[in-house]
Amino acid sequence: EAQVTQNPRYLITVTGKKLTVTCSQNMNHEYMSWYRQDPGLGLRQIYYSMNVEVTDKGDVPEGYKVSRKEKRNFPLILESPSPNQTSLYFCASSFGISNTEAFFGQGTRLTVV
Amino acid sequence: AQSVTQLGSHVSVSEGALVLLRCNYSSSVPPYLFWYVQYPNQGLQLLLKYTSAATLVKGINGFEAEFKKSETSFHLTKPSAHMSDAAEYFCAVSLSNTDKLIFGTGTRLQVFP
Repeated sequence: EAQVTQNPRYLITVTGKKLTVTCSQNMNHEYMSWYRQDPGLGLRQIYYSMNVEVTDKGDVPEGYKVSRKEKRNFPLILESPSPNQTSLYFCASSFGISNTEAFFGQGTRLTVV
Repeated sequence: AQSVTQLGSHVSVSEGALVLLRCNYSSSVPPYLFWYVQYPNQGLQLLLKYTSAATLVKGINGFEAEFKKSETSFHLTKPSAHMSDAAEYFCAVSLSNTDKLIFGTGTRLQVFP
């Protein structure tokens, strides 16, 4: 089954404790991205990757890191999480970006206390 | 710069009534337009997309949207609402010369019996 898998689905952590949210897709997509969803703000792009070893900042990259060492995986790293990073995070993948369907993971609800 | 505006953060309809969710876009070049749906505790999934072919686009679950260049709109409609349509709906826009998919702030649809 074609899918984007994120882990964990739920995470509560403390300020400053490094964490990684994993994202994996099995559709051989070149393009992957991370979004955060906040009430009243919709989805905002954090980082994206056009292919292996190619990543770039989205609209809200501060406080986040990503890597793309393999085509299927695109982890999101919070080196020192802060409460303002409490949000719902989505990973997405697609063959391209302009006119193709994006496939989304189930989401990771992160709470930073 | 491209952007998308969804009018109405909440829309309530009775079961069997017409559903109309509004989306207006801003773009200096012909856009690609999408509607995604998010059911509770799930990721987003594509409802339909406009990619410069027919201006009336039919999607899944009986939804359709019409691209109106003169009004810069891409409103989503369904003739008869069903209880299972209750979800959050996102309009999104991308351009052929960019690497971004820009989302609106979302409209939560409630369907009453």
